[in-house]
Amino acid sequence: EAEVAQSPRYKITEKSQAVAFWCDPISGHATLYWYRQILGQGPELLVQFQDESVVDDSQLPKDRFSAERLKGVDSTLKIQPAELGDSAMYLCASSPRNTEAFFGQGTRLTVV
Amino acid sequence: QKEVEQNSGPLSVPEGAIASLNCTYSDRGSQSFFWYRQYSGKSPELIMFIYSNGDKEDGRFTAQLNKASQYVSLLIRDSQPSDSATYLCAVTGTDKLIFGTGTRLQVFP
Repeated sequence: EAEVAQSPRYKITEKSQAVAFWCDPISGHATLYWYRQILGQGPELLVQFQDESVVDDSQLPKDRFSAERLKGVDSTLKIQPAELGDSAMYLCASSPRNTEAFFGQGTRLTVV
Repeated sequence: QKEVEQNSGPLSVPEGAIASLNCTYSDRGSQSFFWYRQYSGKSPELIMFIYSNGDKEDGRFTAQLNKASQYVSLLIRDSQPSDSATYLCAVTGTDKLIFGTGTRLQVFP
């Protein structure tokens, strides 16, 4: 069964350090989402790609966060520098084209 | 006003009962509606989607959509303790997939 792959599963980093997350969507899925989920809250959309283009990044803190999907396949989300408030679950999801989305296992980030 | 609203719960139901989870959304142009189940510490898992007004049934789950009232619900029949989780409503509006905050369901034996 096809799955969305994310790595790492867990990451502990010190504040002010750089951190990066990787996502490989289900093959053939044109839409890729990055969400951030704080404990007890729903997923918050950070960035949405359609193929290699950014469709929405209105909630992405661009002073410290960046995302890319260079060849329209896998994607990387980077935070530099990390802050204590960035501690959360970072979720990647993919969709054939703006239809039902399937999530990876997520990356649990702890900033100390 | 939040784009997708859910009662945070917890909603507690006895085993075997019907659990009813509700969601409202603000964008009248929304086209697609989804229910995800999320166990503690895990990622969301898609359990139902609905695109047209009315009911859609899949096993013990029934999704109901009323676009005029901007309301979507999920019914879980014969609730089991394994159904205890947070249920997230998600809506596509202007091409973005927006989630509610989720409703925590507790099914007790």
